[in-house]
Amino acid sequence: AQSVAQPEDQVNVAEGNPLTVKCTYSVSGNPYLFWYVQYPNRGLQFLLKYITGDNLVKGSYGFEAEFNKSQTSFHLKKPSALVSDSALYFCAVSILGGNKLTFGTGTQLKVEL
Amino acid sequence: GAGVSQSPSNKVTEKGKDVELRCDPISGHTALYWYRQSLGQGLEFLIYFQGNSAPDKSGLPSDRFSAERTGGSVSTLTIQRTQQEDSAVYLCASSPGTRSSYEQYFGPGTRLTVT
Repeated sequence: AQSVAQPEDQVNVAEGNPLTVKCTYSVSGNPYLFWYVQYPNRGLQFLLKYITGDNLVKGSYGFEAEFNKSQTSFHLKKPSALVSDSALYFCAVSILGGNKLTFGTGTQLKVEL
Repeated sequence: GAGVSQSPSNKVTEKGKDVELRCDPISGHTALYWYRQSLGQGLEFLIYFQGNSAPDKSGLPSDRFSAERTGGSVSTLTIQRTQQEDSAVYLCASSPGTRSSYEQYFGPGTRLTVT
């Protein structure tokens, strides 16, 4: 079985400050890890993925994430938050490429002026 | 290019009626997925099609749910004898399914309300 935990329902950060959205996972085998963002009344948009290789992956809109195998984590980060980053963020995992995704419960990010 | 499209965007139906939800994946994508998003259950996998292989139906919550994919492209999710707990947003996604590109691209969803 595979699972994802996003321990924070909401993260608040001031514009211009760095942000971190936490994600930990549990799988049997090598994980394929993804971050998606959802704006109100919209579908999910792909941000970035880790399949193999460098532990630090860079994605859309200045976001990056660090894969940490020993801590089974894949935290999403951005050096300088924007108000427009405010949205719902989902971490997801699959155990095989192209297979179904298991999602976390989502973290609401609120960036304030 | 065009993204994943879904229709209808909203559907209101009476309990006990059947509904069909449609998904048009990105052209050339071999993999197609259905998920549903609800307040109580979050994002749940329903079913997955990959090429001509037998679909992975392991996420379908009951035998009232079924899906097909015709010609390796368009997919229809059918819910028979709808119940109020079926109310949710149904999301479709597609993926190239190649080794270098496993990310899934999602459509805008169909919001189903069962009254």
